[in-house]
Amino acid sequence: EPEVTQTPSHQVTQMGQEVILRCVPISNHLYFYWYRQILGQKVEFLVSFYNNEISEKSEIFDDQFSVERPDGSNFTLKIRSTKLEDSAMYFCASSPQGGSGELFFGEGSRLTVL
Amino acid sequence: SQQGEEDPQALSIQEGENATMNCSYKTSINNLQWYRQNSGRGLVHLILIRSNEREKHSGRLRVTLDTSKKSSSLLITASRAADTASYFCATPNGGTSYGKLTFGQGTILTVHP
Repeated sequence: EPEVTQTPSHQVTQMGQEVILRCVPISNHLYFYWYRQILGQKVEFLVSFYNNEISEKSEIFDDQFSVERPDGSNFTLKIRSTKLEDSAMYFCASSPQGGSGELFFGEGSRLTVL
Repeated sequence: SQQGEEDPQALSIQEGENATMNCSYKTSINNLQWYRQNSGRGLVHLILIRSNEREKHSGRLRVTLDTSKKSSSLLITASRAADTASYFCATPNGGTSYGKLTFGQGTILTVHP
């Protein structure tokens, strides 16, 4: 069964460093998303991406964050100059169509900023 | 309460019993979704119920939606130890069409063998 894959599963970084989290969405999906979950808190929307551009982003997704689809399969989230409060699980998701239907999530990348 | 709030926050039952989780939301929606998350894992979509539906079944899952009360419930019948997980309701945020879901805090379900 097709699935969303994410790498790395866990990354530890020093505060101020840049981090790139990678995702391979399901191949025939057109819409891609990043969500994050700080330990013990809700899953929060960060950004949606369609047709090679950001469709929508939350207040969390400030200039520190960027997304890219560098080729036909990968979807990346870059966090520049990481802060302690960026420590969280980051989930990539994809969906075959827009609207408000089902999202298919990856297993997540745990980011720990020291 | 915020959009998509579940109760109870935690539920502990014995295998074979039914588990009921509730979700309340504030704004109008066109659908409501339930997701499951095993500890430290990703979210898995369970079921989507549209605003014009009142009840939906999928295997041992039964979801109801009451738009007049802005609430939904998820019933898991004949629970198994493998159902132990966190369960979240999620609603599309304010009519956006780009998969922006607002998740609740979740209900932690523990099923004892």
